[in-house]
Amino acid sequence: DGGITQSPKYLFRKEGQNVTLSCEQNLNHDAMYWYRQDPGQGLRLIYYSQIVNDFQKGDIAEGYSVSREKKESFPLTVTSAQKNPTAFYLCASSPQQGRYTFGSGTRLTVV
Amino acid sequence: QKEVEQDPGPLSVPEGAIVSLNCTYSNSAFQYFMWYRQYSRKGPELLMYTYSSGNKEDGRFTAQVDKSSKYISLFIRDSQPSDSATYLCAMSGVNRDDKIIFGKGTRLHILP
Repeated sequence: DGGITQSPKYLFRKEGQNVTLSCEQNLNHDAMYWYRQDPGQGLRLIYYSQIVNDFQKGDIAEGYSVSREKKESFPLTVTSAQKNPTAFYLCASSPQQGRYTFGSGTRLTVV
Repeated sequence: QKEVEQDPGPLSVPEGAIVSLNCTYSNSAFQYFMWYRQYSRKGPELLMYTYSSGNKEDGRFTAQVDKSSKYISLFIRDSQPSDSATYLCAMSGVNRDDKIIFGKGTRLHILP
């Protein structure tokens, strides 16, 4: 079945540590996105990529980094510069405007 | 004024009732209008996708877009307990670089 796989489902980060969230899709979609979801805040765009080897900052890119070396993969690194990383992270892909397929999310907690 | 406004709820209705969920927006350039359903601790799933004005029906779900009033609605007929979820409206312009703007979501509870 085609879809988006996010891993891990739960992730714990220590202070000062970088962590990487995985996002893989087999839908052959060109565009991929990372969102952060906090209670009462809705979805906020972190980074997006419309083509391999190219990506753009979203609304809250500070403290995050991404790469897009393969069409299928769009990993997100949460760096130690992100001061409040505890949140639910969602990856999505899209073949056309607005038709997103989301992954099941990664819940990141700082310990 | 925020670009997209959506009442967070929670909205509680009895099983079998008709549910009406709404969003208002301010950007007249929006042409694509979507509704996503999100169950607790899951990713959102696309429920309805419409372009420009008008109605679209899919089973028990009907999406309406009124561009003159900058108002979109999602109606759920014969609501079921399995419809209990958070519903997110979303919209964007037609250009490839236009960002999708999401509402904050309305929590819906269908009471058995």
